[in-house]
Amino acid sequence: GAVVSQHPSRVICKSGTSVKIECRSLDFQATTMFWYRQFPKKSLMLMATSNEGSKATYEQGVEKDKFLINHASLTLSTLTVTSAHPEDSSFYICSGGAAGSYNEQFFGPGTRLTVL
Amino acid sequence: GENVEQHPSTLSVQEGDSAVIKCTYSDSASNYFPWYKQELGKGPQLIIDIRSNVGEKKDQRIAVTLNKTAKHFSLHITETQPEDSAVYFCAARGGHGGSQGNLIFGKGTKLSVKP
Repeated sequence: GAVVSQHPSRVICKSGTSVKIECRSLDFQATTMFWYRQFPKKSLMLMATSNEGSKATYEQGVEKDKFLINHASLTLSTLTVTSAHPEDSSFYICSGGAAGSYNEQFFGPGTRLTVL
Repeated sequence: GENVEQHPSTLSVQEGDSAVIKCTYSDSASNYFPWYKQELGKGPQLIIDIRSNVGEKKDQRIAVTLNKTAKHFSLHITETQPEDSAVYFCAARGGHGGSQGNLIFGKGTKLSVKP
């Protein structure tokens, strides 16, 4: 399968700071990237969908001004958690869909965010 | 919208036995059904998928069946091994939104394979 990387794998930050998470497709071009949030022992919750070169589409209840998504190229999408608070602590996972692929999504390894 | 139900939430089997996880979906237009394996602290890994024009697909010890009429699909793991222990998620892609539409996930099944 295709490979998706995320950086950093873990981050600890102070409340009120911003954190940027990078998601890269290493061996394919991801026309669409998805950002998920996962709480302990829970399923994946879709936060937003981004297409290269256009604005992200956010799911209901997800604040677009708090979770900034940029999909500037076919291999890179970033998620910035602005003014992070302890309740933003979670496991954030991105996935990418290859151009021309019928349906497959390939997930990154996830980023564990802890806000103190 | 699509809704995916997954059962059981936990499953414990002896090494060598088979494991079956079942999912149902609500949107009859859904046409893509992947299964993901997630190990602790890692991202989900696609292990097998099936499209709505196929009733069954097999890859070594893993198989998936799809019943479009009943709107359910199942994951079958034979000859289970301790390394199969993980959380498994089923998902369905709704029939709307193009080929890269959203996946709707089940709540997951924690599989434990005892040596």
